[in-house]
Amino acid sequence: DQQVKQNSPSLSVQEGRISILNCDYTNSMFDYFLWYKKYPAEGPTFLISISSIKDKNEDGRFTVFLNKSAKHLSLHIVPSQPGDSAVYFCAATPPGTYKYIFGTGTRLKVLA
Amino acid sequence: DAGITQSPRHKVTETGTPVTLRCHQTENHRYMYWYRQDPGHGLRLIHYSYGVKDTDKGEVSDGYSVSRSKTEDFLLTLESATSSQTSVYFCAISDNGAGLEDTQYFGPGTRLTVL
Repeated sequence: DQQVKQNSPSLSVQEGRISILNCDYTNSMFDYFLWYKKYPAEGPTFLISISSIKDKNEDGRFTVFLNKSAKHLSLHIVPSQPGDSAVYFCAATPPGTYKYIFGTGTRLKVLA
Repeated sequence: DAGITQSPRHKVTETGTPVTLRCHQTENHRYMYWYRQDPGHGLRLIHYSYGVKDTDKGEVSDGYSVSRSKTEDFLLTLESATSSQTSVYFCAISDNGAGLEDTQYFGPGTRLTVL
């Protein structure tokens, strides 16, 4: 039972345009969400996070939006660059646990 | 970058042999995690530790055991490796155990092939 879902396995975007990566979750008790980026042959690296008391968090070209009623979050990358080509994972933390639950990932390809 | 190393980085072994993967951190973080990454499944938690000698199971713990005898080392053991355990294994650490504003830092991964 996948509690964190990334329904798009892959996405291609032209350089300079916006990339939108989506993530859905099933448990309304999740209170903290993160996005990680992963290049081939490397470990995932933290990108941006958002707590459930906010609906938006920005860090440079990266913005995460949280829609709690829809149990949906999205990562916007503007403008997209070829170096953004990677696999992106969203993750959620159930309250009262030490665990992170990850989605299956979306492979982003930014075309030059 | 967080000081996390994994060894070995690559290993090929045969079905039925025991295998131990090591994760070493220099950050003095309390929480340590082992994940496996497989196509179509993302990152799945195998086991985690919330302190020295304190461990618990994740979602895919069958066939794996762990030990943590000191803060900096977290060992993952496959008692009798099977082909289904061919995967890329990642270790991660965190300071606040998935609390608010916590962040996990990942090691570079170990690619394990079981023939």
